[in-house]
Amino acid sequence: ETGVTQSPTHLIKTRGQQVTLRCSSQSGHNTVSWYQQALGQGPQFIFQYYREEENGRGNFPPRFSGLQFPNYSSELNVNALELDDSALYLCASSPAGGGAGYGYTFGSGTRLTVV
Amino acid sequence: SQKIEQNSEALNIQEGKTATLTCNYTNYSPAYLQWYRQDPGRGPVFLLLIRENEKEKRKERLKVTFDTTLKQSLFHITASQPADSATYLCALDMYNGNKLVFGAGTILRVKS
Repeated sequence: ETGVTQSPTHLIKTRGQQVTLRCSSQSGHNTVSWYQQALGQGPQFIFQYYREEENGRGNFPPRFSGLQFPNYSSELNVNALELDDSALYLCASSPAGGGAGYGYTFGSGTRLTVV
Repeated sequence: SQKIEQNSEALNIQEGKTATLTCNYTNYSPAYLQWYRQDPGRGPVFLLLIRENEKEKRKERLKVTFDTTLKQSLFHITASQPADSATYLCALDMYNGNKLVFGAGTILRVKS
């Protein structure tokens, strides 16, 4: 059984650029969530995808967008990057939509640095 | 909005002792409360989940309690080992929710 795989592991971008982060969910999991974790803080919910539809969104601006594909893998896109977007971006998968009481399986994250 | 407080200072204990970490929350009680372990530069790893109607849950050396009256969960690691050193995150999984609300985490250091 494979876990959650994220790519790339590290990325450096310039302010104003766009970035795409990728995530492959754990086998058998149809729900993918994205979180942003600043240094010394807990992860903050960005959004969740369930069966290719957005299933809830946190307090993030529209320049944060996502996709889920038929194989349940997912992308996070961030446009017009700002310095404050520098963080660890985590993808998590679970076997059902949220609120079902399952533990989430997290990937190791993508460390994004915006300069 | 829901707020979660975990011990802001690192917890330093001696090997073999029991570590106790605290998670306090405001407002509504969650349907489930989850605990994760996070090592530097890695993603959180799921440890235990406790339901609103459960008082206590155990898994090997780990024990979680949940008091909805106090709005508090305690996480215990018995017979702690240096390998238990990590950041431990508390997360609330709300009714009809689709997200986890995390605390900032508590750093645990176990010294041999």
